[in-house]
Amino acid sequence: QQQVKQSPQSLIVQKGGISIINCAYENTAFDYFPWYQQFPGKGPALLIAIRPDVSEKKEGRFTISFNKSAKQFSLHIMDSQPGDSATYFCAARGGGYSTLTFGKGTMLLVSP
Amino acid sequence: DSGVTQTPKHLITATGQRVTLRCSPRSGDLSVYWYQQSLDQGLQFLIQYYNGEERAKGNILERFSAQQFPDLHSELNLSSLELGDSALYFCASSVDALTGGDTQYFGPGTRLTVL
Repeated sequence: QQQVKQSPQSLIVQKGGISIINCAYENTAFDYFPWYQQFPGKGPALLIAIRPDVSEKKEGRFTISFNKSAKQFSLHIMDSQPGDSATYFCAARGGGYSTLTFGKGTMLLVSP
Repeated sequence: DSGVTQTPKHLITATGQRVTLRCSPRSGDLSVYWYQQSLDQGLQFLIQYYNGEERAKGNILERFSAQQFPDLHSELNLSSLELGDSALYFCASSVDALTGGDTQYFGPGTRLTVL
């Protein structure tokens, strides 16, 4: 049973545009929500993470928006660049465990 | 470079065979996690070890097993291999501090091809 649903599966954005990736979760015990970025041939790397006591977290061009009541969170990439082209995974952790449950990933292509 | 190393980088084998994937965590990290990544299933958590002991189990098949040694490196053993086991296998490590967030650092992965 998939506990973290991610959309869209793929996304094409023009350079300078805003990329938005959405995730929804079911388990209310989740208390940590990271986003990972993966380039071809590499392992995923932590991009940004949020805990549910805040509704938004920003790091440079990357922002997580979190809606606890809707059990949804999203990644916004402002001023998207070709170098941002990668696969993005949302994840969630909680309930006393340190294991992560990942969404299925979004392949982002930023066209020049 | 995450500091997590995995060997080998690529592995090609035949159905029915047995292989061992190796992972060395970042210095100081006590937890090791194994994930399987395939196109249709995404990143699936397999198993976690903490300081030598199994901590959590995910979608790991009975044909698969893992262990973490006293020097904290870990091995994932895959036996009676089937075509469907072809995937990328990632190891990740963390300090395993549940409070204040817990970043998992991923290795470069081992690409397993079963022919």
